[in-house]
Amino acid sequence: GAVVSQHPSRVICKSGTSVKIECRSLDFQATTMFWYRQFPKQSLMLMATSNEGSKATYEQGVEKDKFLINHASLTLSTLTVTSAHPEDSSFYICSASLGDWEQFFGPGTRLTVL
Amino acid sequence: GQNIDQPTEMTATEGAIVQINCTYQTSGFNGLFWYQQHAGEAPTFLSYNVLDGLEEKGRFSSFLSRSKGYSYLLLKELQMKDSASYLCAVRDGDYKLSFGAGTTVTVRA
Repeated sequence: GAVVSQHPSRVICKSGTSVKIECRSLDFQATTMFWYRQFPKQSLMLMATSNEGSKATYEQGVEKDKFLINHASLTLSTLTVTSAHPEDSSFYICSASLGDWEQFFGPGTRLTVL
Repeated sequence: GQNIDQPTEMTATEGAIVQINCTYQTSGFNGLFWYQQHAGEAPTFLSYNVLDGLEEKGRFSSFLSRSKGYSYLLLKELQMKDSASYLCAVRDGDYKLSFGAGTTVTVRA
């Protein structure tokens, strides 16, 4: 149980385009979903916390107008990287939380912006 | 915020034991997690400590001392498949996780 999926697993896009990443909890309803970013050889950095039906809470330094988060249901959250640039190339990982217990991580999305 | 420190790299021999230390300074504490992450993959949960002491789970054990802001992950009977990055993460009062930079463990035959 507690499986989280992400789609796509890899995406390559041109600079200036927008990319949408989906995060789904497959077998449970997640009260909260989290979005992380991980640059090579660095740790996961929390970008934002998302609760169903409410606006996401962004961490300091993360541009909310650039990284749009929509949490439409208890099983789906999307992250849209708008007007992507090469410096946005990274590994994006979502996690879903069941209550106050552990977070279950998705397999990640590798974004490459050319 | 959180300040989490762990060694960058460790190397050990197959069958041996390795201990990965983690120290933290927090503005709120609601548990400490250890995750394993293989290159290009998402982290997978290994252990959780919220009270002081040792939690044992098969070949993996984790220890916590809240007063010292210290934890360690003990990996016994190392196998080649244990070569990975091990992440120490602290959960704050808002249930957010802050991760250390990770310790890359290389297991040699």
